Amino acid sequence: EAGVVQSPRYKIIEKKQPVAFWCNPISGHNTLYWYLQNLGQGPELLIRYENEEAVDDSQLPKDRFSAERLKGVDSTLKIQPAELGDSAVYLCASSTQGLNNEQFFGPGTRLTVL
Amino acid sequence: RKEVEQDPGPFNVPEGATVAFNCTYSNSASQSFFWYRQDCRKEPKLLMSVYSSGNEDGRFTAQLNRASQYISLLIRDSKLSDSATYLCVAQSGGSYIPTFGRGTSLIVHP
Repeated sequence: EAGVVQSPRYKIIEKKQPVAFWCNPISGHNTLYWYLQNLGQGPELLIRYENEEAVDDSQLPKDRFSAERLKGVDSTLKIQPAELGDSAVYLCASSTQGLNNEQFFGPGTRLTVL
Repeated sequence: RKEVEQDPGPFNVPEGATVAFNCTYSNSASQSFFWYRQDCRKEPKLLMSVYSSGNEDGRFTAQLNRASQYISLLIRDSKLSDSATYLCVAQSGGSYIPTFGRGTSLIVHP
């Protein structure tokens, strides 16, 4: 079975440019998460979807970040405009619904903003 | 204060050693707990869930202390391949929001 797929794996952009990341979760996983991970830190939740509904986006900087999961399957996370401090790894994870369910992570997108 | 706190280490131990990590959480509404392992420049992967009664999986033992709000991970007979960062996760019951600690780095040397 295919795991969580993310693209691109690496992205280098100049500040003030837009950037988008794509995630395809494991088939059948209703819950999808976007995380940001800085070097030496744990993943920080940006947004969580249950099917197509964003059920928690309190940590998403809404002035520049947006996300969508229109058909409840794959998802896109966008930053516009990017800032130097946005350089990080953006991880997508998926799980079945429920409190004790394991999250499966994609390989992440490593973003560098110059 | 971070919701989930871990000693970043690194813990530098010889092969065969026993090593233990603790993780404290501040949200008393947390109901589910996990340990994830993350290798360098890789994604996190579930190591084990942490149950109230404690649980063991081979050389790994996880325990939960709700009164003191901490979880622990014990690794016995350390292997070189155990070298990684171990991430503690606490998840609240109502909102299902998972909160990760910053991770504890383990280096097992020959």
